[in-house]
Amino acid sequence: AQTVTQSQPEMSVQEAETVTLSCTYDTSESDYYLFWYKQPPSRQMILVIRQEAYKQQNATENRFSVNFQKAAKSFSLKISDSQLGDAAMYFCAYSRPGNQFYFGTGTSLTVIP
Amino acid sequence: GAVVSQHPSWVICKSGTSVKIECRSLDFQATTMFWYRQFPKQSLMLMATSNEGSKATYEQGVEKDKFLINHASLTLSTLTVTSAHPEDSSFYICSASNGMNTEAFFGQGTRLTVV
Repeated sequence: AQTVTQSQPEMSVQEAETVTLSCTYDTSESDYYLFWYKQPPSRQMILVIRQEAYKQQNATENRFSVNFQKAAKSFSLKISDSQLGDAAMYFCAYSRPGNQFYFGTGTSLTVIP
Repeated sequence: GAVVSQHPSWVICKSGTSVKIECRSLDFQATTMFWYRQFPKQSLMLMATSNEGSKATYEQGVEKDKFLINHASLTLSTLTVTSAHPEDSSFYICSASNGMNTEAFFGQGTRLTVV
């Protein structure tokens, strides 16, 4: 079975600084996708970034980037120039196309002004 | 991205009554819909997977007679919590897929409170 592990229940970062959220996963599949979702207090799930397992290049979306280490099954999220609006719960997730998502337990990020 | 609408966004019901939650894909045909439950400050736990026109597949530990799922069309799935009890109070979220999606399209979620 696929499992997704986030070992940091809570993280904090100073505004404008950089923070890295950790995620590891376990799978025997070769074709899969990894995601980071943000869940603000509204609880709407918002896609932050996506990585295809077959791509070696790490995905980037503006201030958000990932460090994807396929052999180590590690998928960390780096947030640069942190903003107050980045404060939220962040979930790492694994999926195969069209299939269910497996979520980590989440990391609560606080941004300190 | 595709739009998934979930209704209602919040509902309060009395113990023993049933409540229905709708999940609609507004601009694509959802062959598969997923229903998740989320307790405060916890992760999303998959309850069941529904495919259009067939019976839902429930995860271990989820009572299929209590959480009735219907996926009668390619744009609508419903979750009915029957004979609700306070312990059923939670946040329920649906997501929809056309079978080829490489991302999940989530509804806004429904906060259910059973009093």
